[in-house]
Amino acid sequence: AQSVTQLGSHVSVSEGALVLLRCNYSSSVPPYLFWYVQYPNQGLQLLLKYTTGATLVKGINGFEAEFKKSETSFHLTKPSAHMSDAAEYFCAVTRGNNQGGKLIFGQGTELSVKP
Amino acid sequence: EAGVVQSPRYKIIEKKQPVAFWCNPISGHNTLYWYLQNLGQGPELLIRYENEEAVDDSQLPKDRFSAERLKGVDSTLKIQPAELGDSAVYLCASSFRDYNEQFFGPGTRLTVL
Repeated sequence: AQSVTQLGSHVSVSEGALVLLRCNYSSSVPPYLFWYVQYPNQGLQLLLKYTTGATLVKGINGFEAEFKKSETSFHLTKPSAHMSDAAEYFCAVTRGNNQGGKLIFGQGTELSVKP
Repeated sequence: EAGVVQSPRYKIIEKKQPVAFWCNPISGHNTLYWYLQNLGQGPELLIRYENEEAVDDSQLPKDRFSAERLKGVDSTLKIQPAELGDSAVYLCASSFRDYNEQFFGPGTRLTVL
């Protein structure tokens, strides 16, 4: 079975500050891991994903995440927050080796950016 | 290239009424997914289609929910009768071969009164 835990349902940062959104996963098989962003009244947009290879993954809009197997974590970071980053962020896991298709999502973290 | 299209975007109905949602995936995408997103929660898979075949419908409440993808392209999700607890956003997504590149539509927000 797989599961995702996002620590903190709401994170608030100042514009220009570091963004850190935490995600821990549980998986009995090698996972594929994802971060999605959802703006109000919109669908989910893929920010980045980890499948195999390099554990530091770079995505769109300056975000990156690092897969740490020993810590079962896949935290999302951005060096400098922008007002436009305010949104809901979801971490998700699926079975590796293209076996799955079923994304298991965390409960989401709402990011607020203060001017 | 057009993205995943869903309609309607918003729907308000009385409980016990039927409702249907429509999804048109990205052209050429053979895999189609319906997800349910409750307020303040992450999406949960309801059903996954490979072409016209439902290959994972284990989370679909079959007593009131049904879905179809007759020609392996667009899909319809139906609820009959709707209950108050069905108020949520219904998301459609599609992918081509690579399960890990799922593209989401804007969703249909259902309110059951």
